Amino acid sequence: GAGVSQSPRYKVTKRGQDVALRCDPISGHVSLYWYRQALGQGPEFLTYFNYEAQQDKSGLPNDRFSAERPEGSISTLTIQRTEQRDSAMYRCASSPTRDILAGGPSSEQFFGPGTRLTVL
Amino acid sequence: AQSVSQHNHHVILSEAASLELGCNYSYGGTVNLFWYVQYPGQHLQLLLKYFSGDPLVKGIKGFEAEFIKSKFSFNLRKPSVQWSDTAEYFCAVTTYSSASKIIFGSGTRLSIRP
Repeated sequence: GAGVSQSPRYKVTKRGQDVALRCDPISGHVSLYWYRQALGQGPEFLTYFNYEAQQDKSGLPNDRFSAERPEGSISTLTIQRTEQRDSAMYRCASSPTRDILAGGPSSEQFFGPGTRLTVL
Repeated sequence: AQSVSQHNHHVILSEAASLELGCNYSYGGTVNLFWYVQYPGQHLQLLLKYFSGDPLVKGIKGFEAEFIKSKFSFNLRKPSVQWSDTAEYFCAVTTYSSASKIIFGSGTRLSIRP
């Protein structure tokens, strides 16, 4: 496809259930990022990958959150034992370059449509 | 910790009015600055960015932003808005020490009256 895709677009789950959110980046993009966006707020960084390596997971709120990108393409963000406070929009982005400080026209993150997670 | 402040949560303008959305960041070192826009029902997309050089940056759809280092600001401007500019606008920053971690402001919702 032409852009970043995410699935599901909407997810409603009960408290205590595990959820897996998928991100399919733009083909060939090196870096992949996960963000969480609460209502009325800007996106908040969670974690990112260069190829299959998780470079920074400092934004993951606690150990119930994990992410993987085993083959350097599709990524999954997993939330275990969901809680109501996990309800948010989860956004994925990809970038063709490893370091967006390099400048130039390709130094940009391309965002997907997001997954709206609601925990009841 | 680095942070980004957007002063206006919701701005309402008439068509053809001039626009300026404020953005301030807190970080004393080298930064890269961005404005992202999210039109209703669409993805976040890059409007413009500043990496180095001319502090006045021009983006898509007639938008521009000026980086004023002494004021830690990167305000977004457009001389004459259109109804189609109705969207949410996010200012964002990356720092040299955490280049891949974009820190976003809380966003400004812009509503244009036709």
